[in-house]
Amino acid sequence: AQTVTQSQPEMSVQEAETVTLSCTYDTSESNYYLFWYKQPPSRQMILVIRQEAYKQQNATENRFSVNFQKAAKSFSLKISDSQLGDTAMYFCALNSNSGYALNFGKGTSLLVTP
Amino acid sequence: GAGVSQSPSNKVTEKGKDVELRCDPISGHTALYWYRQRLGQGLEFLIYFQGNSAPDKSGLPSDRFSAERTGESVSTLTIQRTQQEDSAVYLCASSLSAGGTDTQYFGPGTRLTVL
Repeated sequence: AQTVTQSQPEMSVQEAETVTLSCTYDTSESNYYLFWYKQPPSRQMILVIRQEAYKQQNATENRFSVNFQKAAKSFSLKISDSQLGDTAMYFCALNSNSGYALNFGKGTSLLVTP
Repeated sequence: GAGVSQSPSNKVTEKGKDVELRCDPISGHTALYWYRQRLGQGLEFLIYFQGNSAPDKSGLPSDRFSAERTGESVSTLTIQRTQQEDSAVYLCASSLSAGGTDTQYFGPGTRLTVL
């Protein structure tokens, strides 16, 4: 079984500051993929960033980067220069080559304040 | 190109009625998924279609839930004799193929409210 845990139900950050969202996971698979999705009030799930477990280099997408610690099974998301539009629920998710359904954490609600 | 679309956006129904939710995947995507998101929760997998293969229905919570997909086109999720615990957002996603290799892209969801 695969599990994803997000231990921070809510977080707040001021505009232009940096925030880190935590995610830990458990899987017996050797080949898997990790994702961060953003869900604003519009409900649309938007892919933020993706990491292949076999890649040692941490993925980066503009202001978003991850800290992937494979041995610790940790996959945190860092948002730099936070913007008001970053306010949303953030979900960490896990998939593997042998499966197809994404396993989601319960989410972290991020509020960016002026 | 166009993303995943879902209809209706919102659906309010009375307990005991049947409802049908629709999903249009991204053109060319062979894999299609349905998830349910209860209030304040993450997403839970319901059902998965891959091309013309038999769907994986292992996530469906009861036999009141069913889904169909014709080829690689539109899918419908049907909930019969709706109950209040069925109230949730139902999200559809599609990907080029199955497995973790290809990213799943989500539609905007249908919010179902059962009174």
